[in-house]
Amino acid sequence: AQSVTQLDSHVSVSEGTPVLLRCNYSSSYSPSLFWYVQHPNKGLQLLLKYTSAATLVKGINGFEAEFKKSETSFHLTKPSAHMSDAAEYFCVVRSGGGADGLTFGKGTHLIIQP
Amino acid sequence: DARVTQTPRHKVTEMGQEVTMRCQPILGHNTVFWYRQTMMQGLELLAYFRNRAPLDDSGMPKDRFSAEMPDATLATLKIQPSEPRDSAVYFCASGLLGILNTEAFFGQGTRLTVV
Repeated sequence: AQSVTQLDSHVSVSEGTPVLLRCNYSSSYSPSLFWYVQHPNKGLQLLLKYTSAATLVKGINGFEAEFKKSETSFHLTKPSAHMSDAAEYFCVVRSGGGADGLTFGKGTHLIIQP
Repeated sequence: DARVTQTPRHKVTEMGQEVTMRCQPILGHNTVFWYRQTMMQGLELLAYFRNRAPLDDSGMPKDRFSAEMPDATLATLKIQPSEPRDSAVYFCASGLLGILNTEAFFGQGTRLTVV
């Protein structure tokens, strides 16, 4: 079984300040982990992914995430927020062991204050 | 620029009518997913296929929903009869999984409204 918990339903930051979106997961096998972003009325776009290589993963638009097995976490960060980062962010887990279905967290709505 | 294509983008239908949503996965991808997104439940996996064979449809209400892949370039999700509670955005995604575990690439979704 696998699950994802996004600890904050909403996060509000000022433009130019750091962003932290938190994610914890559980998985029976070595997981693959992803962050997707969804802008209003749009589909889902991959930001970055972890698939058992380097634990610090860099993605698009300046985002990165660190896989911490001991903490079962995969938090998403960005040093400096931009207005265009305002969107819904989803943490996603896929367990190994032949289970391919992606399990999504409930999402974190990121608000950028001018 | 390879992408997953879903049609229609929007659908409004009356309760009791049949609805068919279509998805063209990225050429060469062996796995196709159907997800449903609602405000209350978030993103839920309905079904997925590997090499056109259904692997898991446990998330799908069996009495009214059906998912098929008639060929490698087309996946369909059908609701018959539709109900207002089916109103949601339905996403199709494809990926190359198994040997090369890529991420899933999502389509733009079909926004279904059942009145």
